[in-house]
Amino acid sequence: GAGVSQSPSNKVTEKGKDVELRCDPISGHTALYWYRQSLGQGLEFLIYFQGNSAPDKSGLPSDRFSAERTGGSVSTLTIQRTQQEDSAVYLCASSLWTAYRDRESEAFFGQGTRLTVV
Amino acid sequence: KQEVTQIPAALSVPEGENLVLNCSFTDSAIYNLQWFRQDPGKGLTSLLLIQSSQREQTSGRLNASLDKSSGRSTLYIAASQPGDSATYLCAVRGSGGYQKVTFGTGTKLQVIP
Repeated sequence: GAGVSQSPSNKVTEKGKDVELRCDPISGHTALYWYRQSLGQGLEFLIYFQGNSAPDKSGLPSDRFSAERTGGSVSTLTIQRTQQEDSAVYLCASSLWTAYRDRESEAFFGQGTRLTVV
Repeated sequence: KQEVTQIPAALSVPEGENLVLNCSFTDSAIYNLQWFRQDPGKGLTSLLLIQSSQREQTSGRLNASLDKSSGRSTLYIAASQPGDSATYLCAVRGSGGYQKVTFGTGTKLQVIP
């Protein structure tokens, strides 16, 4: 597609249930980021993928959170046993990674998934 | 660890005013800096990207400057309009390792008609 696509756009789930959030990056973009934005808060880094590997998982808030990326493309963020504090907008971004430092590397964001845990 | 701060956190101005949003970062070893706009309930829209070797970028009524050595960037908005009301975020891409992107805390702008 032309841009980063996230699904679903909205998700309401009961506390304790598992949820999966999906991100389709721009075709050819090897770098993929997940961020979380709670109400009235800034963007919180969760995890970064380069290809299918995740060199930085430092932002995952707990072991209930996991993410994977397959085929260097689609990524899923899974939250197990959801809690009310998990309610937030989850944003995905992708960018073109290159070893040539003089190339631009602009990040493009999806519209986000609004997760509400009730 | 890179830390990015934006001042002010919120700003309210009458329509037509020129305004400046500030972004500061603690680690000057950056690859680029990007300014985004976020509308309520929406994702982020890229406004301007400045490479570390550049001093400024311009797009329409927007002008972004970068002083890497002092760890500062400013976003200048000329002749503000109500449609400019949004949250503005700056993001810094590090030059080491995998070039992690670190976001600022954002400035919420309201332009009053």
